[in-house]
Amino acid sequence: DAGITQSPRHKVTETGTPVTLRCHQTENHRYMYWYRQDPGHGLRLIHYSYGVKDTDKGEVSDGYSVSRSKTEDFLLTLESATSSQTSVYFCAISGVAGLPPEQYFGPGTRLTVT
Amino acid sequence: ELKVEQNPLFLSMQEGKNYTIYCNYSTTSDRLYWYRQDPGKSLESLFVLLSNGAVKQEGRLMASLDTKARLSTLHITAAVHDLSATYFCAVEIGGSQGNLIFGKGTKLSVKP
Repeated sequence: DAGITQSPRHKVTETGTPVTLRCHQTENHRYMYWYRQDPGHGLRLIHYSYGVKDTDKGEVSDGYSVSRSKTEDFLLTLESATSSQTSVYFCAISGVAGLPPEQYFGPGTRLTVT
Repeated sequence: ELKVEQNPLFLSMQEGKNYTIYCNYSTTSDRLYWYRQDPGKSLESLFVLLSNGAVKQEGRLMASLDTKARLSTLHITAAVHDLSATYFCAVEIGGSQGNLIFGKGTKLSVKP
C-alpha cells in the first residue's frame, strides 16, 4: 500500500445533510485526487490538488468542494448530500520527483445517501 | 472532450487461452495507465505507458501503446483464474498533471 487512508470507510447519511470525507497520506506526494466510481461509469475525477491550498475542478465537481490545508490531508465535502451522490469514493496520490507519474489509490469510502 | 472506450466490457475466458483488451481514446495523449480492480477492492497500478511504442510486460499480461492510432492493448497470455478482475485503462489529459479519464472497465472472468 502507498500509505493512503480514507475515513470513514462506510457512511450512511440522509439527503440534505453535509458530509466530509478525509484522505490522509504519509508519502509526501504533491498531488491528490478525489474520484467517484459508479457502475457503468468507471472512475470520474471530482477535484484534485496540486499543492497546499491549490485545488481545481475535475469532470464531475458539481455539488462537491475540497480543501487541502496540509500536504497530507485532502478533504472532500458534500455540502448537502443527494441520492445521486451515493457512490464509492476513492482518493489517489501521485507526484514524487523521479518516479513515474502513476496514481496510487486509497481503499475507498462507500457512501450511501438515503 | 477526451473519451476513452474499452472493449470488450465483459470477457469470459477459459484458462489457457489468449485474449486482448482494447483501449481507444479520442484526443492526443502520450500517457496511458492500466489498473486492476478486484471486487470490493481498490485499484492496483499495472502498467504506465509514457510514449509511442511503449511495451510493458508483467507475467501473463503485456500492455502496449500506439499514440498515433490512439490505441492501447492489454494482452493476456494463457489466462489463469487469478487474473479474474476488472481492468481499467486511463488516459492522461494532455498537459495536465494526472487528470485521468478512465474507460468503463473490462470485467474479466477466467473459468476452468
